[in-house]
Amino acid sequence: EDQVTQSPEALRLQEGESSSLNCSYTVSGLRGLFWYRQDPGKGPEFLFTLYSAGEEKEKERLKATLTKKESFLHITAPKPEDSATYLCAVQAMEETSGSRLTFGEGTQLTVNP
Amino acid sequence: NAGVTQTPKFRILKIGQSMTLQCTQDMNHNYMYWYRQDPGMGLKLIYYSVGAGITDKGEVPNGYNVSRSTTEDFPLRLELAAPSQTSVYFCASRRGTSYGYTFGSGTRLTVV
Repeated sequence: EDQVTQSPEALRLQEGESSSLNCSYTVSGLRGLFWYRQDPGKGPEFLFTLYSAGEEKEKERLKATLTKKESFLHITAPKPEDSATYLCAVQAMEETSGSRLTFGEGTQLTVNP
Repeated sequence: NAGVTQTPKFRILKIGQSMTLQCTQDMNHNYMYWYRQDPGMGLKLIYYSVGAGITDKGEVPNGYNVSRSTTEDFPLRLELAAPSQTSVYFCASRRGTSYGYTFGSGTRLTVV
């Protein structure tokens, strides 16, 4: 069974204070690892897909990296508008359940001005 | 481009009532999914569809039913609502299995 564990559950940062969110996963052959951002009362919004260990992707102040066991979402010099819940999800190579994504519980990030 | 549209946004049901959560996408995506999101539990897959006329169960299908008569629509039916079905429901679609999901804005359901 595919499993995704995110840590920490919640993170408070001061504006400009860089940090990282962790996503550990267990999957029988990784097809893709996905990062989403979710604002309160809204649906998750797609950020990145990573496919193989060593891959990195960037978007503004966010950089996602991938190893064989975990992924990190690095946030550089965050701003209050980066406050949100960040979700990690994996897709197994095996095409079952419509190639569904298995989600972690998320990290709730708060950036104080 | 509207993306994925879910209605209603909020609903309160009494125990034993039934309702249908609507989901429509205008991106011509074949793959569609229904998830529920509970605090501290992450997103759990209820049902999915890989194309019109094809549906199958996910992790937590009990108490729900779906249909997929067109590519655009994927309604979720709740029969005999129970308090355990209080949750936020998200519909999602994707172009293909190598792409991420596009989510709707969710339906917040309370069963009392």
